[in-house]
Amino acid sequence: EDQVTQSPEALRLQEGESSSLNCSYTVSGLRGLFWYRQDPGKGPEFLFTLYSAGEEKEKERLKATLTKKESFLHITAPKPEDSATYLCAVQAGNQGGKLIFGQGTELSVKP
Amino acid sequence: DAGVIQSPRHEVTEMGQEVTLRCKPISGHNSLFWYRQTMMRGLELLIYFNNNVPIDDSGMPEDRFSAKMPNASFSTLKIQPSEPRDSAVYFCASRLAGAGGELFFGEGSRLTVL
Repeated sequence: EDQVTQSPEALRLQEGESSSLNCSYTVSGLRGLFWYRQDPGKGPEFLFTLYSAGEEKEKERLKATLTKKESFLHITAPKPEDSATYLCAVQAGNQGGKLIFGQGTELSVKP
Repeated sequence: DAGVIQSPRHEVTEMGQEVTLRCKPISGHNSLFWYRQTMMRGLELLIYFNNNVPIDDSGMPEDRFSAKMPNASFSTLKIQPSEPRDSAVYFCASRLAGAGGELFFGEGSRLTVL
C-alpha cells in the first residue's frame, strides 16, 4: 500500500535556527513527490515538485531534496512568516492522477 | 484570476440532514479533486474527475457520499444523510490534466454535523 509518513509532527524553531523536515514514502513507481504549505484556515499551496532521486529545488529559504526513500525540506534561517503546516504528497505510477498526502509537519518559528 | 471557489465556507447541520458542498474550479483546468481533512486522518482523497468524468472514487467512504460534475465549471459533493463523523474540512482542488502534482486548492468548506 502506498504510504507517506512525515516527521516530526510539530517543530518549534527560533528565528534564524535552520532545520529539516522529513517525508518518508513507500510507493509503487514514484511519478513525483510534492511539497505544499498550508496556513491555518486555508487550503494547501503548492511549493515544489521532485521527480527523481538526487533532484533538488529551492525557493527563498526552502530547499527540497529527494532520495529513493525520502525527501527533506530544509529551512535555512527561518522567519516567523515561515510558520505553517508543511505537507508532503506522492503520486504513484499506477494511481493515475491522485496524490497521497502525509499528515504534515506543523512548523512554528518564534521571533 | 480567480482561484478555486468553494461554498459554503462553513456549514453546521444536524445529523440526518442532507449537505451539499459546491466547487467552481479554475477556468481551463480539466481535473478536479475532492479531499477531506481531519486531525486524525489528514488529507484524504475522496474522488477525482478528468474532463468531468469520475476517474477514481475509491476514497468515497460510503454510499451516503456522492459527487457530480455536470460541466467543466461546477462540481458538488453531497452527503445524505449526514453523521457527526462526517465533520471535517472538505477541500476542492483543480489542475490541468497532465500537469503533475500542482493542485490549486480552494479555501475549504468546514462542515460540523451535530
